[in-house]
Amino acid sequence: AQKVTQAQTEISVVEKEDVTLDCVYETRDTTYYLFWYKQPPSGELVFLIRRNSFDEQNEISGRYSWNFQKSTSSFNFTITASQVVDSAVYFCALSESHQTGANNLFFGTGTRLTVIP
Amino acid sequence: DAGVTQSPTHLIKTRGQQVTLRCSPKSGHDTVSWYQQALGQGPQFIFQYYEEEERQRGNFPDRFSGHQFPNYSSELNVNALLLGDSALYLCASSLGPGANTEAFFGQGTRLTVV
Repeated sequence: AQKVTQAQTEISVVEKEDVTLDCVYETRDTTYYLFWYKQPPSGELVFLIRRNSFDEQNEISGRYSWNFQKSTSSFNFTITASQVVDSAVYFCALSESHQTGANNLFFGTGTRLTVIP
Repeated sequence: DAGVTQSPTHLIKTRGQQVTLRCSPKSGHDTVSWYQQALGQGPQFIFQYYEEEERQRGNFPDRFSGHQFPNYSSELNVNALLLGDSALYLCASSLGPGANTEAFFGQGTRLTVV
């Protein structure tokens, strides 16, 4: 069965510090997709990134970067030079390819990030 | 371009009542999924609708049912409400039901059962 673990429940950093959010996943599929979503206080989940299991290249988008390592089943997310606007709950999610009839996202429990000005 | 819209934003119901939540997908999207997010937890998949049919269902009882209309909008119905049904209900839309598609989420409906 699939599982997504976000061991960090809450993290607080001072503005301009770098912060890494951890995500460890379990799946029996060889083809799967990993996602990160941001949930601000408004409640809407905002898509940040999608990676497939065959693409282990790290990705950078502005201050955001992601490190995908199949060997450790991890998909970690780093925010560089954090800003107050980064304060939110961040979710890691998994979607398995055998779910051919639906894109069922399986979410972790989230990490609440607070950036202190 | 309107994103995913959900109504109502907040709702208070009494235990045992029935409730209907509504979702309009992002323009051009044909697939709608529903998620339940309890306080402090990650969203949990309820079911997905594509081509007006329920394609997959998560671990939720039959009290949870849904519908998709020809214009791709969707409803989530919950019967015989329990206190434990209090949660944020999120609707997500995508273009097609595949595992690799990007899901866009609405702001959710906060349901409180008293």
